Order: sequence, then structure tokens, then C-alpha cells
Amino acid sequence: KAGVTQTPRYLIKTRGQQVTLSCSPISGHRSVSWYQQTPGQGLQFLFEYFSETQRNKGNFPGRFSGRQFSNSRSEMNVSTLELGDSALYLCASSLAATYTDTQYFGPGTRLTVL
Amino acid sequence: EDQVTQSPEALRLQEGESSSLNCSYTVSGLRGLFWYRQDPGKGPEFLFTLYSAGEEKEKERLKATLTKKESFLHITAPKPEDSATYLCAVRDGANNLFFGTGTRLTVIP
Repeated sequence: KAGVTQTPRYLIKTRGQQVTLSCSPISGHRSVSWYQQTPGQGLQFLFEYFSETQRNKGNFPGRFSGRQFSNSRSEMNVSTLELGDSALYLCASSLAATYTDTQYFGPGTRLTVL
Repeated sequence: EDQVTQSPEALRLQEGESSSLNCSYTVSGLRGLFWYRQDPGKGPEFLFTLYSAGEEKEKERLKATLTKKESFLHITAPKPEDSATYLCAVRDGANNLFFGTGTRLTVIP
């Protein structure tokens, strides 16, 4: 079974631009979560989608948004990029609706903001 | 406030030297504790899920245990390929997921 895939793997943007990251979950998985990982803050939860609905949201500004499609694929968007948005963005998928389900992570998208 | 703390931050072991990593947590209504392994530049790789105090799980040289306040990841006779950052995450009663900052393990041949 194929794992979680994320595209692109690397991105370089400049301040003020916007970016869209994509995540394809494991086949059959309906929940997708997004995380930001930085050396100083570790892994921080952005949001979770289940069946095209945002089910949970972390403490990030409104510049960070996401959506999920009917095939469970998800995208996240960051508008008006800031230097501090440079990070590894990770997507994780899980099987079903229960929160105790294990999340499986993709390889991440490395975003660098110049 | 819900919190997850991992210790030590970094650990260097000789090949074959067993040790334990700690994950202590203060959350309301634990719904699950997860251990992951992360190699540099890669996404976390799932290792174990523990749901209740007293539960134990094993995989090769790794064994995870859970009490009401903490979890341990025991590494028996580690090999250099076990070198990685080990992350602990806790799901609380409000379905929030909190990650620790990890323990960076280096196993020296």
C-alpha cells in the first residue's frame, strides 16, 4: 500500500507570496492533518480534515488555511508568507473518524521563505 | 495546561548499550499516546500506540510502556541504525494532539 505523499518536496518563496501544498493520504484514509515542524518549536498542529470538513484547528493565524476534497486529498495554503513560515510542513493521514486512530506521516514539504 | 515533555533531549549510546527514553505528560483524559521515529529530513515513522496505563508493546529492539503520568521507550542492545529522533505525542480528552520536542538518539559503533 502506498504511503502518504506530499508535493512538492521543496519550495523556495519570497516574503509576501503565497504557497499551496498538497497531500494525498493512504488509500482508504479519510482524515488528514497538517503540522508545522521547526527546530525551535517542534511539531505544531495546524488543522485536521475529515470528510471534507475541518474538524479541529490549531493556534495559527488565518493566513494558514486548508481544504479537503471528496477523494480525501488535501491542500494547505499559506498567504502573505513571512520569514518565520520557513519550516517542514507535514501531512498525516488516519483511517477513520475516531481520534485515537494512528496517524501516518508523509515525507513533508520543506518551505524556505527568503 | 496540557503538556508533553521528553527527556533527555539528546542521548549518545555505545552499540549494545541499553537505555530508556522518557515521555512525561500532563493532559486531561488521555485518549492515546503515540511514539514515532524521525530521521533527518523525513516525516515521522509510526512505532507504537498505547491507550491505557499498564499497557506495553514491543517491536524488535524497542519496547514502549505506559503509566498514568509517563511513558518509556526502552531500547535494548541498540545498533547504529537506531540513531534517530524519537517523538512522543499525546491525545487528550478534547481530541487535541500534543507532541514533545523529541529525544535525539545517537548510537556509536
